[in-house]
Amino acid sequence: GQSLEQPSEVTAVEGAIVQINCTYQTSGFYGLSWYQQHDGGAPTFLSYNGLDGLEETGRFSSFLSRSDSYGYLLLQELQMKDSASYFCAAKINSGYALNFGKGTSLLVTP
Amino acid sequence: DVKVTQSSRYLVKRTGEKVFLECVQDMDHENMFWYRQDPGLGLRLIYFSYDVKMKEKGDIPEGYSVSREKKERFSLILESASTNQTSMYLCASRASGSGTDTQYFGPGTRLTVL
Repeated sequence: GQSLEQPSEVTAVEGAIVQINCTYQTSGFYGLSWYQQHDGGAPTFLSYNGLDGLEETGRFSSFLSRSDSYGYLLLQELQMKDSASYFCAAKINSGYALNFGKGTSLLVTP
Repeated sequence: DVKVTQSSRYLVKRTGEKVFLECVQDMDHENMFWYRQDPGLGLRLIYFSYDVKMKEKGDIPEGYSVSREKKERFSLILESASTNQTSMYLCASRASGSGTDTQYFGPGTRLTVL
C-alpha cells in the first residue's frame, strides 16, 4: 500500500528554524509535494521535489532523498503566521492524484 | 490567480438525504479532485476527474458518486447521506502536465449529517 509518515505535532520558537520530516512507502513514487493549511483555510501549495536535493523558496526549503524514501520541509526565521498544518504528498507514477500524509501541526511560540 | 469555489461553506443534512456538493474552477484546468478531511486522517481522495465526463475512483469512493459535465464544474454526490459522512470536503483542480503538480484547493464545505 501507500503510506506517508510525518510527526503529528511540532513546536518551535519565533525566529528559529524547524524541520518537518516525511518518510514514505509508496510504489511508483514520482515526487514529493508540501502543502500548508491554516485553521479553517484551504491547503496551499508550498513546494515540489521531483528530483533528489534541495529546493529553496524564500524562507521555505524542501529536500528529497529517493534512496532513503525521505523528505523534509525546512522553515527558517519562523514567524507566528507559520503556525499551521503542513502536509507532505506523494505523486504516484505520473498520475493525476496525490497521496497525502496525515499532516504536522506546527505551533510557533513567542 | 486560480480560483476554486465551492457551493457551500457549511451544510447540514439529514440521514438518507441526497446531497450535492458543487465545485467550480476558473482556470480551464483539466484535472479536478474531491477529498475529505478528518482530524488525524489528513486528506483522503474520494474521486478525481482527468477530463470532462471522465472519472476515476480514489481511495474512499464508497457512498459517493461524481459528475463532470463541463470542464469547470465537478460535483460530488452523496446518494444517501449517512452520519459517517460528516466531514470537511475539499475540492481541488490542477493543470494537466503541470511540472510542479500543484493542486489548487477550494475553501471547503463542512458537511454535518444528522
